[in-house]
Formats: sequence, structure tokens, C-alpha cells
Amino acid sequence: NAGVTQTPKFRILKIGQSMTLQCTQDMNHNYMYWYRQDPGMGLKLIYYSVGAGITDKGEVPNGYNVSRSTTEDFPLRLELAAPSQTSVYFCASSQTGTGGEEQFFGPGTRLTVL
Amino acid sequence: AQSVTQLDSQVPVFEEAPVELRCNYSSSVSVYLFWYVQYPNQGLQLLLKYLSGSTLVESINGFEAEFNKSQTSFHLRKPSVHISDTAEYFCAVSRFYGGATNKLIFGTGTLLAVQP
Repeated sequence: NAGVTQTPKFRILKIGQSMTLQCTQDMNHNYMYWYRQDPGMGLKLIYYSVGAGITDKGEVPNGYNVSRSTTEDFPLRLELAAPSQTSVYFCASSQTGTGGEEQFFGPGTRLTVL
Repeated sequence: AQSVTQLDSQVPVFEEAPVELRCNYSSSVSVYLFWYVQYPNQGLQLLLKYLSGSTLVESINGFEAEFNKSQTSFHLRKPSVHISDTAEYFCAVSRFYGGATNKLIFGTGTLLAVQP
């Protein structure tokens, strides 16, 4: 099992550009999540999905979009990149969403917007 | 609303010394508690968790945490640290929303820096 994979590992964007962060999991998990991690701020939930075709906003969704067409993939889209979106982005998945389950994290994408 | 407080942003410690990383949470309902570890340039990994039952939970690499409901704390301890324990440690809390998806609320993290 590869677990949760993310691409790219690093990316530099100019203000106003758009990009998609890819996330794939091979554990057949229904639940998937996108977080951003800023220094000294912990992780903040951007969007999550409870299954193919179902997504919902997390704590900090502004400036991002997601889709979930398959169980395996959960891409995160930045439409108009802004310096405030400079961060490390983590994708995660879990088997259930009832509260006590482990979330499995990908290695992260480090994004810089200049 | 739930929140998690990790007061120590960085904890330097010498190898083989004991360490405690502090975590306090606020919630008006029962919660599940977690410690995740992030090694340099990697994603987070679950270290241990408390769901119910015994208030002392242990990890496979010698860490333990004790759930203290009266003090709303879930401090992480290890009696003797190794260089390889150098990492950032995140405390997190979640609860079941009765049909809605559980969400993890993370603390701001504590960097454990083990020195030889």
C-alpha cells in the first residue's frame, strides 16, 4: 500500500495563477480531508469529503475548491493564488468519520505564492 | 466550541532525559483525544489516542499520555528520549457530532528537540 500520496511536493506560483494539488489514497477510505499548516498555527481543515460526489467546507475554505469523482482521488483547486495561500498542504483519509478513527496523512505539498 | 492548547512551542531536552509535552483542551461534551507526530519533511502520523476506558494510553515507542478529565488535560510523557524522537508533536481533539462528520481540532504543535 502506498497510503496517501500527494503531488507535487513543491510548487511556486505567481499571484493570480491557478493550480490543482493532487491527492490519491489506495486504502478504500470513504473520508478524505484537506488541511493547511502554517508556522505556529497547527493544521486547519479546508474541505472534507464523506464519499464520492459529496464534499463540504471546513474551517478555512475561502479561495479553494474541491471535487470527489472517485473514492481514491480528492484534488484541491486554487483558482486565483494569493500570498496568503503560501502554506504546506496535507491531504488525509480515514475509514470512517465517527470520531475515534485514525487519519492517515500524505507527505504534503509546500506551496509558495509570490 | 472545542479548542486545544499546547503552551510550549518548543521543548529542548537532552538525550535520555524525561520529557512532558503539555496539552489542554476545552469542550463541554465528551471528546476523543489524540497525539500525532510529524518528523521533518513528512506528514503526520498517529502516536496514540484516548477513546474511553483506561485513562493511561501508550504508544509502541515508549510514549504515554494520561487523560485527566477534571483538569481537561492529555499530557504526553516519555521517561527517556532518544535523538530519533526529535519531531513536532500535535495534540488533537474530536467528537462525534451525531451524524455529522467528526472533525479533528489540532493544537499549534510542540517541537521536541533532543540534543546529544
